[in-house]
Amino acid sequence: DGGITQSPKYLFRKEGQNVTLSCEQNLNHDAMYWYRQDPGQGLRLIYYSQIVNDFQKGDIAEGYSVSREKKESFPLTVTSAQKNPTAFYLCASSIVGLAGAGAKNIQYFGAGTRLSVL
Amino acid sequence: EDKVVQSPLSLVVHEGDTVTLNCSYEVTNFRSLLWYKQEKKAPTFLFMLTSSGIEKKSGRLSSILDKKELFSILNITATQTGDSAIYLCAVPMDSNYQLIWGAGTKLIIKP
Repeated sequence: DGGITQSPKYLFRKEGQNVTLSCEQNLNHDAMYWYRQDPGQGLRLIYYSQIVNDFQKGDIAEGYSVSREKKESFPLTVTSAQKNPTAFYLCASSIVGLAGAGAKNIQYFGAGTRLSVL
Repeated sequence: EDKVVQSPLSLVVHEGDTVTLNCSYEVTNFRSLLWYKQEKKAPTFLFMLTSSGIEKKSGRLSSILDKKELFSILNITATQTGDSAIYLCAVPMDSNYQLIWGAGTKLIIKP
C-alpha cells in the first residue's frame, strides 16, 4: 500500500528535551512538507523540501529542524528552543517532477503525531 | 499579502440538512483551489478546481469556483453523521509548491 507513515502517533516531551518525529513515504514523491495544526488555526508550514539534501523554512521554522538525506524520509526535530510545542504535526508529500501542473499542487498527508509537553 | 478565508468557522446542523461552506481567496496569479476533508487525523483530498463555473461532484459533495468574485463553495446534500469533519481549502502560492491554507470549517452533524 502506498502512503505516508508518521510515527509515533503520540509523543510527550520533557522540559529541555529535543524530540524527533518520523515521516516516511513510499509514493516516490519529490516534495515533502511539515505542518503544525493548532485548534482553529488551520495548517501552518514549518519546513518543506523539494529534493534530497535541500529544504526551506516555512512560516514558523523557529525551534524546529529537519533533514532530507533520503527521498522517502523527512524527519522533524522539535528542539528545546520551541517553547510551545504542544500541537498536532502533519507530514505531507507531493509530486514535483514531470507531473502536470495541477497534480503538483495536491498534497497527501500522513495520520499525524500529537505532541504534548510533560 | 496572499490569504485564504473560510466561513463559517464552525457549523452545527441536523442529519439530512444541506450545508454550504465558503472559501474566499486573494492570491497572486491564482491557478487552482483545493478542498480537503479532515476527520480525526490526515486531511484527505476532495476536489481541485481550476475553472470558473464547472462543478465538481462526488456523491453528495459538490464544489464550484467563481474566479471573478474570488471564492469557492463546497455543498454537501443530505448530510450524514459521517460528514462531521473539518473542511479545509487551500490555494497554491504563485512562486513555489506551497499551499496557503484557510483556517477550516468545523462541521458537526447531529443525528
